[in-house]
Amino acid sequence: GDSVTQMEGPVTLSEEAFLTINCTYTATGYPSLFWYVQYPGEGLQLLLKATKADDKGSNKGFEATYRKETTSFHLEKGSVQVSDSAVYFCALSFTGNQFYFGTGTSLTVIP
Amino acid sequence: EAEVAQSPRYKITEKSQAVAFWCDPISGHATLYWYRQILGQGPELLVQFQDESVVDDSQLPKDRFSAERLKGVDSTLKIQPAELGDSAMYLCASSFSVDNEQFFGPGTRLTVL
Repeated sequence: GDSVTQMEGPVTLSEEAFLTINCTYTATGYPSLFWYVQYPGEGLQLLLKATKADDKGSNKGFEATYRKETTSFHLEKGSVQVSDSAVYFCALSFTGNQFYFGTGTSLTVIP
Repeated sequence: EAEVAQSPRYKITEKSQAVAFWCDPISGHATLYWYRQILGQGPELLVQFQDESVVDDSQLPKDRFSAERLKGVDSTLKIQPAELGDSAMYLCASSFSVDNEQFFGPGTRLTVL
C-alpha cells in the first residue's frame, strides 16, 4: 500500500548547521508530496509541497525536491535557527484521497 | 487569520466513560477531517466529511467511535466507551475541497486513565 518512511529522530543540531531530513515513499502512481511542521502544543502546518516529479517546494528557507527515480522528498535547510525546533512530517496524497503521514522527525536546534 | 478551532484542548477521562470533541472548520471549507495521532507517530485519518456526508470512515472503529457533521459546518467526534488505548491527540483539519491544502486545528489531547 501507499506509505511514507521518514528518517528517525530525534535530531539535534547547533544553530546555523545544515539540516537534512530524509523521506522516501511507496506509492502506486504519482502522488503529491508534502512536508508539514508541528510546533510544540500546536497543530500541523503545511511547510511546502510538490505535485509532480522534479518539482521543488520551498518555504522559509526549507527546500525539498520530488525525485521520482529515488522515490524521495528529502527536506533541507542551509542554516537552521532555534525557532526551527519542531516535529517535521513527510506526507503523500493522491488527488481526492487521504493523506499518508510519516512518523515524524523531531528537530531540536541549540544556540 | 482564519483558523480551525477545536475544544477542549485537553481531556482526561476514565476508561468506560464517554468523551466528545468539537471542531469548527474554517468558514467555507467543505471538507473536514478527523485524525488520531498517537504519541511518536504521524496522524492517521479516522473520518472525512464532504459537507455533511461521510466520504471515508474506513479507519474509524465504529464499535466505539462516531462522528457527525449535521449541518455541514462544525463536527463532533465521540468515543463511547473510552479505552486506555484511545489516549492520543485528536486533530481536526479542513480544506476548501479535497484537492486543496488541509489546515489543522491545535488538537485535543485525550488521556484515558
